[in-house]
Amino acid sequence: GQQVMQIPQYQHVQEGEDFTTYCNSSTTLSNIQWYKQRPGGHPVFLIQLVKSGEVKKQKRLTFQFGEAKKNSSLHITATQTTDVGTYFCAGAGGTSYGKLTFGQGTILTVHP
Amino acid sequence: SQTIHQWPATLVQPVGSPLSLECTVEGTSNPNLYWYRQAAGRGLQLLFYSVGIGQISSEVPQNLSASRPQDRQFILSSKKLLLSDSGFYLCAWSVGTGSYEQYFGPGTRLTVT
Repeated sequence: GQQVMQIPQYQHVQEGEDFTTYCNSSTTLSNIQWYKQRPGGHPVFLIQLVKSGEVKKQKRLTFQFGEAKKNSSLHITATQTTDVGTYFCAGAGGTSYGKLTFGQGTILTVHP
Repeated sequence: SQTIHQWPATLVQPVGSPLSLECTVEGTSNPNLYWYRQAAGRGLQLLFYSVGIGQISSEVPQNLSASRPQDRQFILSSKKLLLSDSGFYLCAWSVGTGSYEQYFGPGTRLTVT
């Protein structure tokens, strides 16, 4: 079945440093989504990428979808303590009814 | 606006006891509904999904079952809990037949002792 791998598992940064997490799928995706889960909370949808090579920005967050639609990345510029949490990518394989395969997530810790 | 409710928020149950977790969605019709389990604060494992009343698809054979008695109600059950059933159970919804974003409920933290 479809597998989505995400690296790194953990990332510790000083406030103000940049952060990147990478996501790779074993199969071509119809789209990829990113979610953030704060400690003790539930995943919250951030963004969806659909087109090959697509780049989207949300303030300090930049999301990219690879040309082959098998990989993606999330980059945070100048991290803040509010960025703490686990970032998940989730791949959609084109099946109906929105089934997603989640990566294992990257746990981001930001030291003030 | 749409909201999703889950209860209870936390639950401690002995091994061998039954389980019933409930999820309800407000503000939308005919949603796709999902049950996930998250172990040790890491990845989400899809357990069940439903595209309509009485329609349940199981992703992982295990000790759990799901039912959808009403359009916006999704129930996760077990007849006899195992230690390995401990985890964070999340319900989510989406709409449409494509791969659209999912919205998660607050979750239930289950500890089986």
